[in-house]
Amino acid sequence: DADVTQTPRNRITKTGKRIMLECSQTKGHDRMYWYRQDPGLGLRLIYYSFDVKDINKGEISDGYSVSRQAQAKFSLSLESAIPNQTALYFCATSDLGLAGVEQFFGPGTRLTVL
Amino acid sequence: DQQVKQNSPSLSVQEGRISILNCDYTNSMFDYFLWYKKYPAEGPTFLISISSIKDKNEDGRFTVFLNKSAKHLSLHIVPSQPGDSAVYFCAASASSGGSNYKLTFGKGTLLTVNP
Repeated sequence: DADVTQTPRNRITKTGKRIMLECSQTKGHDRMYWYRQDPGLGLRLIYYSFDVKDINKGEISDGYSVSRQAQAKFSLSLESAIPNQTALYFCATSDLGLAGVEQFFGPGTRLTVL
Repeated sequence: DQQVKQNSPSLSVQEGRISILNCDYTNSMFDYFLWYKKYPAEGPTFLISISSIKDKNEDGRFTVFLNKSAKHLSLHIVPSQPGDSAVYFCAASASSGGSNYKLTFGKGTLLTVNP
């Protein structure tokens, strides 16, 4: 079974719609992250959370919000989707301390906003 | 300002030969470097890492070299195999001061290994 799962794997939506991407992990890690990948731009950090009560903005948080429902669950929401949010979205987790540098990624969600 | 640069968008090599993927960084606070491999329709997977206290780390066919004075690292794959064909991301972290959570990624290099 996968350690980090994401649902849905693919989603097509229309401009202005609200959409939620979900992430679950069984690794027991406290830290969770949301990234987006665009062609030729690598991975960019949207939000990260060190525990259930700790949420932090990353480098490109505008237009997004997150919810950490439990240690194992971290959701990303687009309140009003726009076409330039079309991208691959990845959830990741990491451990604490020095071991926390290595991050473990989910399989990704391909989001298309028409 | 791109702090981690992978200047080659793509690289093509023959099976059995060496693949060398390069990465440059500008932030002198980076002290831990990682390489991730990504296949289509999958998330990135950790491949190999190196701390700034070392200049080389080897794991089977994969070796990472770090040149701190030049702010340059490279990933060597010997011998290259068709299954190595993937996008390779270089990532860096300033692991001291409690900020080891944050990885800064390069744009990636698409490696194609031809049979």
